[in-house]
Amino acid sequence: DVKVTQSSRYLVKRTGEKVFLECVQDMDHENMFWYRQDPGLGLRLIYFSYDVKMKEKGDIPEGYSVSREKKERFSLILESASTNQTSMYLCASSRSLVFKSNQPQHFGDGTRLSIL
Amino acid sequence: GENVGLHLPTLSVQEGDNSIINCAYSNSASDYFIWYKQESGKGPQFIIDIRSNMDKRQGQRVTVLLNKTVKHLSLQIAATQPGDSAVYFCAEKGGGTSYGKLTFGQGTILTVHP
Repeated sequence: DVKVTQSSRYLVKRTGEKVFLECVQDMDHENMFWYRQDPGLGLRLIYFSYDVKMKEKGDIPEGYSVSREKKERFSLILESASTNQTSMYLCASSRSLVFKSNQPQHFGDGTRLSIL
Repeated sequence: GENVGLHLPTLSVQEGDNSIINCAYSNSASDYFIWYKQESGKGPQFIIDIRSNMDKRQGQRVTVLLNKTVKHLSLQIAATQPGDSAVYFCAEKGGGTSYGKLTFGQGTILTVHP
């Protein structure tokens, strides 16, 4: 089974702090994704990466950056945390369409981040 | 823009009944659809998927139906159990979308009463 592991289940940070959320997958997937999930808004894509050191903006990239130095690890960075970034953050991974067509994304259990 | 939505935000059923969760999509070029289940405190869990060249696909106690004419997707759960209580999301991948990007619906809350 695919395993996507997010380093923290709960995290509390202060406004203005630089925050790192880490995600690791063990299936050698090419694609990795970061979402945030908010009541009434569903899952919204922040950033994704289709290869090491490659990244693409999603629908709501403002206030975030990402890093993919190794294939199995995808980090989400809040450069200067603000209270409106309090949310559930979900990481996902999937196989590249180049190697296998139409594969589902597999998710971690999320990090609930609170910015005070 | 293109979006994936749900007809019903909540669904309550009795244990043992069959459940049907619906989803409407607007992108006629979407070529791949997925249903996810999300239990409280957990991430979305893959249930079943279907490609646009199919009308129906069955899994264990679940069936997904795709009607491309009316752009409608449904998830049927047979003999619903209390453990099936969760939020269910549909997701679509637009045809030609690179890297498998998905668009998600808002979710339906399924509650199963014993």
